[in-house]
Amino acid sequence: GNSVTQMEGPVTLSEEAFLTINCTYTATGYPSLFWYVQYPGEGLQLLLKATKADDKGSNKGFEATYRKETTSFHLEKGSVQVSDSAVYFCALRLGDTGFQKLVFGTGTRLLVSP
Amino acid sequence: AAGVIQSPRHLIKEKRETATLKCYPIPRHDTVYWYQQGPGQDPQFLISFYEKMQSDKGSIPDRFSAQQFSDYHSELNMSSLELGDSALYFCASSLGGSTEAFFGQGTRLTVV
Repeated sequence: GNSVTQMEGPVTLSEEAFLTINCTYTATGYPSLFWYVQYPGEGLQLLLKATKADDKGSNKGFEATYRKETTSFHLEKGSVQVSDSAVYFCALRLGDTGFQKLVFGTGTRLLVSP
Repeated sequence: AAGVIQSPRHLIKEKRETATLKCYPIPRHDTVYWYQQGPGQDPQFLISFYEKMQSDKGSIPDRFSAQQFSDYHSELNMSSLELGDSALYFCASSLGGSTEAFFGQGTRLTVV
């Protein structure tokens, strides 16, 4: 089946530290890959996406590269801020049609201290 | 820009009661998805609609039903509520085939 595996949290970092949150996937076919962020008490916000192999998604200093050979989509940021504290979800969606559902990983909580 | 609107934001119900959650998609979006996120859990897909027809079905209990109306808003009806139904219910919308889904802020349902 289709699934997403994320590293368990919480990930605790000091401000300006380098961030990596690992994400690997299993899918039949060629999925689009996404990172969503959920701030406390808020809904899910799309952070970045990649729709084909070797694509790099980037937004707000975050980056992730679609690696087909390792079936991975690791999230990175060079210098985290306290305001980045949130839960990050990796997700996949099969196909190009918008009514394909998203399959989420279990989420990784990031805590950034000053 | 207009976003996905969900109402109510918070809802408290007793066991065995009924609840109705509403979702208003982004204007012109024709596809709506419902997800359930239990405490500390990842969002689980429940059901989706495209052009007012059910397009996919996930782990939605038989006690739940949903529909999409002519104005594209959607309602999730939940009957015989159980304590385990307490969760954050997200609605998302997209435009047909090729765009990403945009999520609402969710409705937090607490069953007591």
